[in-house]
Amino acid sequence: DAGITQSPRYKITETGRQVTLMCHQTWSHSYMFWYRQDLGHGLRLIYYSAAADITDKGEVPDGYVVSRSKTENFPLTLESATRSQTSVYFCASIRGGVGTEAFFGQGTRLTVV
Amino acid sequence: AQRVTQPEKLLSVFKGAPVELKCNYSYSGSPELFWYVQYSRQRLQLLLRHISRESIKGFTADLNKGETSFHLKKPFAQEEDSAMYYCALGGSGGSNYKLTFGKGTLLTVNP
Repeated sequence: DAGITQSPRYKITETGRQVTLMCHQTWSHSYMFWYRQDLGHGLRLIYYSAAADITDKGEVPDGYVVSRSKTENFPLTLESATRSQTSVYFCASIRGGVGTEAFFGQGTRLTVV
Repeated sequence: AQRVTQPEKLLSVFKGAPVELKCNYSYSGSPELFWYVQYSRQRLQLLLRHISRESIKGFTADLNKGETSFHLKKPFAQEEDSAMYYCALGGSGGSNYKLTFGKGTLLTVNP
């Protein structure tokens, strides 16, 4: 199906473990983003990417790693998960250009115990 | 720096009342402003963008560069408008385009 999908939808992991959240889009959009959504903080940008092999840190990048070897995939890795990283994570993509709409994945609810 | 401020975390109105969700931004370049909405258990979706100057579901928003604001308005709120609303600013963060969101306003429309 066309669109942007995230996997898994739900994940429980233990403190200290590495976990990777996947994001895949079928439109070949240039720009992709990772956000975390927390009560009282709204959506905070973790990392973003303008194209394959081009990534930049956002507002809260510490403890996260991204890669973009292919245009359609933008995985987010928590190198050593902490309880403070318990959150809902959203991936988004936009084609680019002035006023372009961002399309969001359905989100991944991550719980670190 | 690219920043979006939504001063109200919660906003509660009665059906049929006017509603205004405030958004202020900080950006040195030419801003692109958006409103996104997240209904219960749904993914975020675009509601409005400033360049289109359109009205969607009765909502409008005008970019005021002098006041650096992009407030969302609707003259008569409906119960189905209850949702989380995010103001967003698009611009070049460094060399690349990025999209920054405010903290969101949870709108509740009471019957």
